[in-house]
Amino acid sequence: GAVVSQHPSWVICKSGTSVKIECRSLDFQATTMFWYRQFPKQSLMLMATSNEGSKATYEQGVEKDKFLINHASLTLSTLTVTSAHPEDSSFYICSARGARDVRYEQYFGPGTRLTVT
Amino acid sequence: AQSVSQHNHHVILSEAASLELGCNYSYGGTVNLFWYVQYPGQHLQLLLKYFSGDPLVKGIKGFEAEFIKSKFSFNLRKPSVQWSDTAEYFCAVHAMDTGRRALTFGSGTRLQVQP
Repeated sequence: GAVVSQHPSWVICKSGTSVKIECRSLDFQATTMFWYRQFPKQSLMLMATSNEGSKATYEQGVEKDKFLINHASLTLSTLTVTSAHPEDSSFYICSARGARDVRYEQYFGPGTRLTVT
Repeated sequence: AQSVSQHNHHVILSEAASLELGCNYSYGGTVNLFWYVQYPGQHLQLLLKYFSGDPLVKGIKGFEAEFIKSKFSFNLRKPSVQWSDTAEYFCAVHAMDTGRRALTFGSGTRLQVQP
């Protein structure tokens, strides 16, 4: 149980275009989802926290208008990178926490590698 | 704000050697502690976790970690590593009572086990 999927796993886009990444909890309801960014050989940096049906909470320094997060249902959250630039190239990872997880354990998706040319 | 330090950035061991990876955090309140592993090309997987009780926690694949509250540490250990343990290891902390739901990750330790 507690499987989280991401789609796509890998995407290449041209500078100036927008890219949408989906994060789904497959076998549980995710009341909270987290979006992380991981640079090569570095740790995960939290970008934002989203609760189903409400606006996401962004970490300091993360542009809300550039990284649009929608958590429209208990099993789906999306991250849209708008007007992507080469510096947005990174590995984006989502994680989800279920309604019954009072211990704050998170389940991670496999990640999406974004390359902006 | 809380932070997590993993002082060993890259560790190289031979098979059957013992492993200890350090993890220190900076938060004086109650914490939940985690170790995650990321094998090459794969996603993060939970190795073990500490919430309360016995400070010596046993996880999967023979790993264990000890929570020492006085030292703000949660070091990961394995008596005898295998080549298949080659991976990136991340320590993570959830600081309770802060209202923050996300985990704070350390910078990671890359373990390379040589056959």
